[in-house]
Amino acid sequence: DAGVIQSPRHEVTEMGQEVTLRCKPISGHNSLFWYRQTMMRGLELLIYFNNNVPIDDSGMPEDRFSAKMPNASFSTLKIQPSEPRDSAVYFCASSLATRMGTSGYNEQFFGPGTRLTVL
Amino acid sequence: KQEVTQIPAALSVPEGENLVLNCSFTDSAIYNLQWFRQDPGKGLTSLLLIQSSQREQTSGRLNASLDKSSGRSTLYIAASQPGDSATYLCAVRPDTGRRALTFGSGTRLQVQP
Repeated sequence: DAGVIQSPRHEVTEMGQEVTLRCKPISGHNSLFWYRQTMMRGLELLIYFNNNVPIDDSGMPEDRFSAKMPNASFSTLKIQPSEPRDSAVYFCASSLATRMGTSGYNEQFFGPGTRLTVL
Repeated sequence: KQEVTQIPAALSVPEGENLVLNCSFTDSAIYNLQWFRQDPGKGLTSLLLIQSSQREQTSGRLNASLDKSSGRSTLYIAASQPGDSATYLCAVRPDTGRRALTFGSGTRLQVQP
């Protein structure tokens, strides 16, 4: 398996523009997570999905952020309009969520991240 | 609200030393704890996962322990190498409710050749 795939790897845009980040989770995983990492705040959860359904979006900073998961193999995180304070590295992670597992289950696997710079 | 603290924030050691990284968490109701490695400008690589019912996990030169009742975990690295230089993050997953990980701020490790 290629692991979690994110695109683009780098994005530079101007304030006010729409930004769409993409994620392909590991095949067979049923939970997907979007995180944001900044120097000031470290790694923070934005939203997560279980079986394509958003379970907790309390970490989404404001209405400018939205996330979708139309199927088990694809998710997007959209920022519209973007602002300079949105500059960060955005990570997508996936896991196989089950309580019946031993080690290896529920382990979260991270993608390489998208480095977003909003000018 | 769960809070995860990692001490020290930075550590520099000569090659070959054994070292211990510490992680503490305020809410002991966790499902598991995961240690990650992050290289500069890169994503996170999972190192070890410890379920709440386990006391430790080992992988090669790495050993992670968990004392759930006291809210502590340690990552032991034996015979450190320059290639071990990275930031090490611990994260806990709650036992109920939100499934997402809460991360510590990390320990930045530098192993001097």
